[in-house]
Amino acid sequence: EAGVTQFPSHSVIEKGQTVTLRCDPISGHDNLYWYRRVMGKEIKFLLHYVKESKQDESGMPNNRFLAERTGGTYSTLKVQPAELEDSGVYFCASSQTARAGVPYNEQFFGPGTRLTVL
Amino acid sequence: KQEVTQIPAALSVPEGENLVLNCSFTDSAIYNLQWFRQDPGKGLTSLLLIQSSQREQTSGRLNASLDKSSGRSTLYIAASQPGDSATYLCAVSNSGNTPLVFGKGTRLSVIA
Repeated sequence: EAGVTQFPSHSVIEKGQTVTLRCDPISGHDNLYWYRRVMGKEIKFLLHYVKESKQDESGMPNNRFLAERTGGTYSTLKVQPAELEDSGVYFCASSQTARAGVPYNEQFFGPGTRLTVL
Repeated sequence: KQEVTQIPAALSVPEGENLVLNCSFTDSAIYNLQWFRQDPGKGLTSLLLIQSSQREQTSGRLNASLDKSSGRSTLYIAASQPGDSATYLCAVSNSGNTPLVFGKGTRLSVIA
């Protein structure tokens, strides 16, 4: 079974430019999460999708971040325009829906995208 | 607001030692707790998941315990090896399908 994949693995851009990160969850996982780790801090939640619907976007820093998950499959996270403080590692995770028979939501993480804004 | 703390921040031990990593959380009403491993420049690998109704989980040389009422979990690594060197992260979920809240991690170095 293929795991969560993310593209690109690294991105170096200049302040003011646009970057789009992509996440492909594990097939059949309805839940998709975006997280971010900035230097010296803990990993923090950004956004949660259930299929194609945004369930929780309380962690999105500001309106320069735009996420999409068309058709409930892969998701993209666009940063426009990028600022220096956006540098960090962006992780995507997916999980099955917790329900009878699947009582917990073990989250599986992708390798992350390391974003550097100069 | 849930907060997760991991102690120590870094740990260096000689090969073969048994060791314990600590995790504490402020809100004991958790749904589950996951321990992850992260190698430098890599993603997170799930090691163990403990449901709120469980007290411990074991996988090979790893044993994770959970004491919900006191807001604590420990990850016990037996007979440590240099290949265990990595950052270990603890994360909790407050209900099914909700986001994880992470600690900052413990950076482990096992010296041959």
